[in-house]
Amino acid sequence: GAVVSQHPSRVICKSGTSVKIECRSLDFQATTMFWYRQFPKKSLMLMATSNEGSKATYEQGVEKDKFLINHASLTLSTLTVTSAHPEDSSFYICSARSHEEETQYFGPGTRLLVL
Amino acid sequence: DQQVKQNSPSLSVQEGRISILNCDYTNSMFDYFLWYKKYPAEGPTFLISISSIKDKNEDGRFTVFLNKSAKHLSLHIVPSQPGDSAVYFCAADGGSNYKLTFGKGTLLTVNP
Repeated sequence: GAVVSQHPSRVICKSGTSVKIECRSLDFQATTMFWYRQFPKKSLMLMATSNEGSKATYEQGVEKDKFLINHASLTLSTLTVTSAHPEDSSFYICSARSHEEETQYFGPGTRLLVL
Repeated sequence: DQQVKQNSPSLSVQEGRISILNCDYTNSMFDYFLWYKKYPAEGPTFLISISSIKDKNEDGRFTVFLNKSAKHLSLHIVPSQPGDSAVYFCAADGGSNYKLTFGKGTLLTVNP
């Protein structure tokens, strides 16, 4: 299957700082990328959908000013958690799909811990 | 309103036997279904999918069955192996925005 990478895999930061997470599709062009969050023992929660070159569409209850998403190219999307707080600590996962294929391929996830 | 339901939070089977994971959905607009496998602290891995125009898709040890009239799909793993132990998510796609709707997952444990 297609390969999606995320960087970093794990990050620890102080409260109030901003953290950027990168999501890359390595062997295909991702016209659409998705950002999910997973709480312990819970299902994946979609945060936002981003299409290359346009603004992200955020799910209800997700603060767009706090979770900044940029999808500047067909292989890269970034999620920036601004002014992170301990309650933002979570497992963030991106996924990507191409225009031709219906399957979403997931990255390995990024564990964020805000102290 | 949960549109994709995996009613069994966990399932335990013996190595070599068949594992059957079930998934029900309510939205008749869903036309593409996927199964993902997930280990702790990792992203989901795509396993197998099925389009609503089919009722069965097979890939090695994995077979997905779709019963549209019952709005039910199942994933069969045979023979089950200890390495199959993971959380399995059922997902459905049916809109133009390509969003997936996930079930809550079933933890499969395959005992040696």
